[in-house]
Amino acid sequence: QITLKESGPTLVKPTQTLTLTCTFSGFSLSTSGVGVGWIRQPPGKALEWLALIYWDDDKRYSPSLKSRLTITKDTSKNQVVLTMTNMDPVDTATYYCAHHSITGTTALFDYWGQGTLVTVSS
Amino acid sequence: QSALTQPPSVSGSPGQSVTISCTGTSSDVGSYNRVSWYQQPPGTAPKLMIYEVSNRPSGVPDRFSGSKSGNTASLTISGLQAEDEADYYCSLYTSSSTYVVFGGGTKLTVL
Repeated sequence: QITLKESGPTLVKPTQTLTLTCTFSGFSLSTSGVGVGWIRQPPGKALEWLALIYWDDDKRYSPSLKSRLTITKDTSKNQVVLTMTNMDPVDTATYYCAHHSITGTTALFDYWGQGTLVTVSS
Repeated sequence: QSALTQPPSVSGSPGQSVTISCTGTSSDVGSYNRVSWYQQPPGTAPKLMIYEVSNRPSGVPDRFSGSKSGNTASLTISGLQAEDEADYYCSLYTSSSTYVVFGGGTKLTVL
């Protein structure tokens, strides 16, 4: 059974750096074709993809946020960490991590965490 | 602004069918079949309903179907049920720098 859970601060101040951890079970991030991604959703708004990291340490970032994001993995701990610098109130959102599967023809987020709400306010 | 355009809302009565569109361009939806659809009831995490345009994961009812024509992908829900009321998002995976993009979402109301 695949499960993922996000953890991190619920409140950050503007200009601070946000660090979120995704702790997962039921799969290994060293298995070919497997990745973990981060997606966020501001209150009442649409989903926005942020970053992905793959089994081979290939990393992909949203072009609009690339300069502010870093994604890393710790395979031994079954964790993926996302950092976002220079936080702003517009970054207030629920942040989700999700299991990602990719093959030659398929790419999808098939398991999602419950999400964690991060509020940016002074 | 999302690169994939969805109608803000659709509605239907129980038992009816509804179709939600997801429109892109010849460079994205028109060029790739890695289109997925996600269902998000209020206050919950998204759930994968369709992948690779028309494939259903195990456990998703066959009332849900997907298709693509040109630059537009579509999700059709037949035999609407009250439990289908949710937000629906399309998503596309490409090999370009944008890599992953979500649509703006569509709110389905079951009347």
